[in-house]
Amino acid sequence: EDQVTQSPEALRLQEGESSSLNCSYTVSGLRGLFWYRQDPGKGPEFLFTLYSAGEEKEKERLKATLTKKESFLHITAPKPEDSATYLCAVQAGNNNDMRFGAGTRLTVKP
Amino acid sequence: DSGVTQTPKHLITATGQRVTLRCSPRSGDLSVYWYQQSLDQGLQFLIQYYNGEERAKGNILERFSAQQFPDLHSELNLSSLELGDSALYFCASSTLQGAEETQYFGPGTRLLVL
Repeated sequence: EDQVTQSPEALRLQEGESSSLNCSYTVSGLRGLFWYRQDPGKGPEFLFTLYSAGEEKEKERLKATLTKKESFLHITAPKPEDSATYLCAVQAGNNNDMRFGAGTRLTVKP
Repeated sequence: DSGVTQTPKHLITATGQRVTLRCSPRSGDLSVYWYQQSLDQGLQFLIQYYNGEERAKGNILERFSAQQFPDLHSELNLSSLELGDSALYFCASSTLQGAEETQYFGPGTRLLVL
């Protein structure tokens, strides 16, 4: 069965303390892996799509990477405004179904 | 503001009823996605339409149906509602920038089934 697992569930960082969030997946026929950020009570905000192993994408302090089994979202020198829940999803299969992980709740303290 | 609009913002109804949620995509976006987010099941993908045609299908119940109209707005119909259908329902529209697809989410419709 297709599975998407995110770790850690929660992460507390000091401002400027770089770290990585993990999204591991077991799916057949990966079509794309997506990263989103979601603030409480709001809709998700799209961050990146990765399509193939070895691909990397960057946006401000965020960098996403993809291997055949997992993706990392690296956060460099985070700021308090980076505090949010980060979600990953994989799209795979004949129906192009998307499966979401449970998310990582990131808190960045000033 | 993402440019994606959803109506209504809030909806309270009773079990067994039927409701329709509406989504207007950003101008020019051909693709619409529907998602359900509940506390116990997290964010779940329901269905995607592209220019009026179903493009992808997720964990959508048979009691739920969706369509995308010629003007590209989309509706999600939920029938025979159950308590467990209470959730936030998001739609997103997407655009291709080169080979990259970027999704823009609406603010959501909060559905409460009593």
